[in-house]
Amino acid sequence: GDSVTQMEGPVTLSEEAFLTINCTYTATGYPSLFWYVQYPGEGLQLLLKATKADDKGSNKGFEATYRKETTSFHLEKGSVQVSDSAVYFCALLPKAAGNKLTFGGGTRVLVKP
Amino acid sequence: KAGVTQTPRYLIKTRGQQVTLSCSPISGHRSVSWYQQTPGQGLQFLFEYFSETQRNKGNFPGRFSGRQFSNSRSEMNVSTLELGDSALYLCASRTGGGAADTQYFGPGTRLTVL
Repeated sequence: GDSVTQMEGPVTLSEEAFLTINCTYTATGYPSLFWYVQYPGEGLQLLLKATKADDKGSNKGFEATYRKETTSFHLEKGSVQVSDSAVYFCALLPKAAGNKLTFGGGTRVLVKP
Repeated sequence: KAGVTQTPRYLIKTRGQQVTLSCSPISGHRSVSWYQQTPGQGLQFLFEYFSETQRNKGNFPGRFSGRQFSNSRSEMNVSTLELGDSALYLCASRTGGGAADTQYFGPGTRLTVL
């Protein structure tokens, strides 16, 4: 079945450091890929998405590129802020309508001033 | 547009009781999905409703059920609560038609079973 693997956290960084969170997936066909972020005590917010190979999703300084060859969708940000401290989830959605999101285990990121 | 809303935000129940959670999707969205989030199991899909019909179901026991109304609002019911049902229950909505539809999540209902 479908699965998503993320690097385990927590990831602790200093402000203005470079952030990378690795995400690889296993799926039939070419799913849509997403990154969601969850701040303490809140639900999930969509951060960015990509729907086909080589697409680059970007938002709020975060980027991720859909790599079909390596089945990966790594999240990057060039200069993190304290406000980026959260849990980040990589997820896939198969192309068939009515299918469910499959999530990775989440990566907690802590940015220190 | 208003986002996905869930009520109540917090619930405390005891074992054996039942509970009903409510979700109002974004206006115009016809699909509502439910997910359970726990520290041990992470985010797990419960079910999806589209136009009042259950379209997809995860691997949860029959104690977990749901329904969707004609205005797309959805309710989720858990009967005979167990301690392990303590979790954050998230609802997500999407337009429902397209394969690449983005799901938008509500803030969740945190259920504690004592």
